[in-house]
Amino acid sequence: QVQLQESGPGLVKPSETLSLTCTVSGDSISGYYWSWIRQPPGKGLEWIGYIYYGGSTNYNPSLKSRVTMSVDTSKDQFSLRLSSVTGADTAVYYCARESSSQFDYWGQGTLVTVSS
Amino acid sequence: DIQMTQSPSSLSASVGDSVTLTCRASQGISIYLNWYQQKPAKAPKLLIYAASTLQSGVPSRFSGSGSGTYFTLTISSLQPEDFATYYCQQSYNPPFTFGPGTKVDIK
Repeated sequence: QVQLQESGPGLVKPSETLSLTCTVSGDSISGYYWSWIRQPPGKGLEWIGYIYYGGSTNYNPSLKSRVTMSVDTSKDQFSLRLSSVTGADTAVYYCARESSSQFDYWGQGTLVTVSS
Repeated sequence: DIQMTQSPSSLSASVGDSVTLTCRASQGISIYLNWYQQKPAKAPKLLIYAASTLQSGVPSRFSGSGSGTYFTLTISSLQPEDFATYYCQQSYNPPFTFGPGTKVDIK
């Protein structure tokens, strides 16, 4: 059974950089696209972007200038960095596996609050 | 970006009812449409992909249909565990976009 687990600080100060890591277990990270998706409290879902295990990326244009994703296949991990955060970036951040154009496995989500 | 809309935004129904949720895309997306169920404080769960294919382990009371710009999710004989929010998502073109959701609650 594939499992994903997000990790990282739950509190980030405005203007700083949010950093999260997703650890994949139960299967190799190879061969798939891996996405980050976020959900502000009480609101809907927003796709942030994906990274392929080989390292290619595709980011949501709405966030592209602030997003960097990376992958470490030796650790079966991939990461998200979102710079210059504001209160609008407060959300539950999910990592998810994309398989044949659908998100079939998700992490449990981690709440990141942007506040001084 | 492809915009996704869902209707209704919420509905109340009883156990045993059949309900149909609607999702529309701002442009044709063939059958690149997925449905997710989300319960409070939980991650979304994939129910249906490619418009009408049931994800493994999902009960057969869930069914999906549609292509192009119009899609539906039908839940026949609602069960207590089906009360949740349902999102559609297009995977036709990045940026992948979700609908705003339909909340199904107990009448």
